[in-house]
Amino acid sequence: NAGVTQTPKFQVLKTGQSMTLQCAQDMNHEYMSWYRQDPGMGLRLIHYSVGAGITDQGEVPNGYNVSRSTTEDFPLRLLSAAPSQTSVYFCASGRRGPQETQYFGPGTRLLVL
Amino acid sequence: QKEVEQDPGPLSVPEGAIVSLNCTYSNSAFQYFMWYRQYSRKGPELLMYTYSSGNKEDGRFTAQVDKSSKYISLFIRDSQPSDSATYLCAMSAEDSNYQLIWGAGTKLIIKP
Repeated sequence: NAGVTQTPKFQVLKTGQSMTLQCAQDMNHEYMSWYRQDPGMGLRLIHYSVGAGITDQGEVPNGYNVSRSTTEDFPLRLLSAAPSQTSVYFCASGRRGPQETQYFGPGTRLLVL
Repeated sequence: QKEVEQDPGPLSVPEGAIVSLNCTYSNSAFQYFMWYRQYSRKGPELLMYTYSSGNKEDGRFTAQVDKSSKYISLFIRDSQPSDSATYLCAMSAEDSNYQLIWGAGTKLIIKP
């Protein structure tokens, strides 16, 4: 099992550009989520999904969109990148929900100029 | 005030020492308490998981939850250089759909 995979590992964007961060898991987990990690602030939940076709907002959803068309994939779209979105982004999955073990991907480092 | 407070460190101790890492929280509804370990430039991985109050032990690691004081701890015995990492506490409650609330993480350095 590959676990949770994320691409790209690193990306530089200019303000106003859009991009999609990819996340995939091969553990047949129902629950998937996206976090951003900034220095001194811990992990903050952006969006999450409890199954294919079901998504919801987390703590910091503005500027991001998600969709979940399959159990395996949960892409995160940045609509119009801003310097405030410079961060490290982690995708995670869990069998049923966040109260169970979360398996994290290796992260995507994003720099917005 | 943040819902979960965690000293960011860094905490530097010699190899073999007992390490104590702590988090305080304000939401009395939290029921699930977790410690994740994050190595540099990697994703977090679950280290310890506790439901409600009490202690849990796994090898050199012990997790304690004191709900009356709203305080959780992670103890590492016989610390090793390979324990050098950032330790993140996380907790959740049923009334908020179990969404995890995270501490900022404590950076731990074990000196050989």
